[in-house]
Amino acid sequence: DTGVSQNPRHKITKRGQNVTFRCDPISEHNRLYWYRQTLGQGPEFLTYFQNEAQLEKSRLLSDRFSAERPKGSFSTLEIQRTEQGDSAMYLCASSLGGQPNQPQHFGDGTRLSIL
Amino acid sequence: KNQVEQSPQSLIILEGKNCTLQCNYTVSPFSNLRWYKQDTGRGPVSLTIMTFSENTKSNGRYTATLDADTKQSSLHITASQLSDSASYICVVSPLTGGGNKLTFGTGTQLKVEL
Repeated sequence: DTGVSQNPRHKITKRGQNVTFRCDPISEHNRLYWYRQTLGQGPEFLTYFQNEAQLEKSRLLSDRFSAERPKGSFSTLEIQRTEQGDSAMYLCASSLGGQPNQPQHFGDGTRLSIL
Repeated sequence: KNQVEQSPQSLIILEGKNCTLQCNYTVSPFSNLRWYKQDTGRGPVSLTIMTFSENTKSNGRYTATLDADTKQSSLHITASQLSDSASYICVVSPLTGGGNKLTFGTGTQLKVEL
């Protein structure tokens, strides 16, 4: 078990640029989640996948955000035309589906800073 | 209003002392209640998961309790260590949606000092 891996760990970019983050879940986990966390707050749900299907999206996920999980393994989260308010920690988590009481295992996040 | 409220917001204790963190939630019905530990700059790590029918769950020096009638949970840390310094987050999983969409509290920031 190598855990959930997120890349890059840090991303600094200018406002208006596009950014893409990658998440590699625990290999046997079929569910993958994206969260956003700002300073002093708990994570907020963005979206989740079961295998390659994106099953739910939060209202926080504006049309500038898109997430994919093309082969049901790794996932990418892209933010287009970044804004100051996008500065946050973006966390990915994975879990085994089928039972609701499975823990979600989190990666260490990608910290995005918009200049 | 946040559906998961935690208190205190922050807490400083001496190494070796015990402490109790509180969580009040309004999410209902819910599938399970979780406590996570989050070190600075790291992702949250699961400590305990309790279903609505469970009253208590332990994980080493961490003991979580749940009162589904009053919608309250607590996390008790025994014999605190410096490495316990972290944010402790209460998380409720609603029954709808297959328990996937977790609702997080804002956390209690714990600092353990010598």
